[in-house]
Amino acid sequence: GESVGLHLPTLSVQEGDNSIINCAYSNSASDYFIWYKQESGKGPQFIIDIRSNMDKRQGQRVTVLLNKTVKHLSLQIAATQPGDSAVYFCAENGNAGGTSYGKLTFGQGTILTVHP
Amino acid sequence: NAGVMQNPRHLVRRRGQEARLRCSPMKGHSHVYWYRQLPEEGLKFMVYLQKENIIDESGMPKERFSAEFPKEGPSILRIQQVVRGDSAAYFCASSPPLGGANYGYTFGSGTRLTVV
Repeated sequence: GESVGLHLPTLSVQEGDNSIINCAYSNSASDYFIWYKQESGKGPQFIIDIRSNMDKRQGQRVTVLLNKTVKHLSLQIAATQPGDSAVYFCAENGNAGGTSYGKLTFGQGTILTVHP
Repeated sequence: NAGVMQNPRHLVRRRGQEARLRCSPMKGHSHVYWYRQLPEEGLKFMVYLQKENIIDESGMPKERFSAEFPKEGPSILRIQQVVRGDSAAYFCASSPPLGGANYGYTFGSGTRLTVV
């Protein structure tokens, strides 16, 4: 079936470094992608999103890149801080519209650890 | 404006008992989604509901699981005759009337169910 997956399960960086978290998706019908941050014992927290008609979107310290040719999504975090330590998930909404509108498919997750 | 409220935060049930998980959506949100998260995995879609209506239950197990979102009160995820494999974190999300992940999709903090 269709799935969203991640290349790297763990990532350790030093405070101040830039972090890049990758995600591969297989549903070619996906038209909307979201990155979530999940801290221990909490629910997923929205970070940034991107539509399929874009290839880059920037937020505060974060940038999402979308490569539809190879079905690849990445999250870049600039000047990573200890507070960024969490599990990061990509998610896609491959069936926008109809009865599946709002249903998200999540990747496995990447554990980001930021060392002071 | 309170976020998505889930209770209880932690629930322990013996095998064969029933588990009831509650979710109160954000104010103004009329769409509710339930997800299950096993340890070290991403969230898996279970069901999408609007008031008094199940829109998409393609992720719900065929037996023992049911969900409702009545006209008044919270959404309820009910698991009958729980087994150890039901142990997981269950997250609820809500969105405004436009629906879908593209519009203010917000997660609660989850209910952690442990079956002993």
